[in-house]
Amino acid sequence: EAQVTQNPRYLITVTGKKLTVTCSQNMNHEYMSWYRQDPGLGLRQIYYSMNVEVTDKGDVPEGYKVSRKEKRNFPLILESPSPNQTSLYFCASSLSWGENNSPLHFGNGTRLTVT
Amino acid sequence: TQLLEQSPQFLSIQEGENLTVYCNSSSVFSSLQWYRQEPGEGPVLLVTVVTGGEVKKLKRLTFQFGDARKDSSLHITAAQPGDTGLYLCETGNQFYFGTGTSLTVIP
Repeated sequence: EAQVTQNPRYLITVTGKKLTVTCSQNMNHEYMSWYRQDPGLGLRQIYYSMNVEVTDKGDVPEGYKVSRKEKRNFPLILESPSPNQTSLYFCASSLSWGENNSPLHFGNGTRLTVT
Repeated sequence: TQLLEQSPQFLSIQEGENLTVYCNSSSVFSSLQWYRQEPGEGPVLLVTVVTGGEVKKLKRLTFQFGDARKDSSLHITAAQPGDTGLYLCETGNQFYFGTGTSLTVIP
């Protein structure tokens, strides 16, 4: 089954404790991205990657890191989480970037709480 | 500044009613996509509209892309509780999202 898999689904942590949220897709998609979703603010892009070893900042990259060493994986790293990073996070992938009719496929989300 | 403005932000209606939600921008897009997100899940693509003036139907859902390709609407006929969710529009080739319309259909 074609899918984007995120782990964990739920995560509660404390300020400053490094964490990684994993994301994997099995569709051989070139494009992958991370979003956070907050009430009233919609989906905001954190980082994106157009291919292996190519990553770029989205609209809200501060406090986050990503890597794209393999095509299928795109982990999101919070080196020193803070309470304002409490949010619902989504990983998404697409066949390519900048092409019409190339929709995003989303994972089921990771709800992160930083205390 | 939001690239895509969606309205209304919240909508609560009775089962069987019709409704329309809007996605507007001052920019021109080559395409636009609509997604539905159910609680606890990621958004799922409903439709892509590409041509100005295009109308696409998906069962009781009708999607229209404005002639100038700056706006789009989603009309639901005879809404059902299963239509409840967050409806999001997205620029087809840049992956920017609107803030969404949260729809609740009351049985």
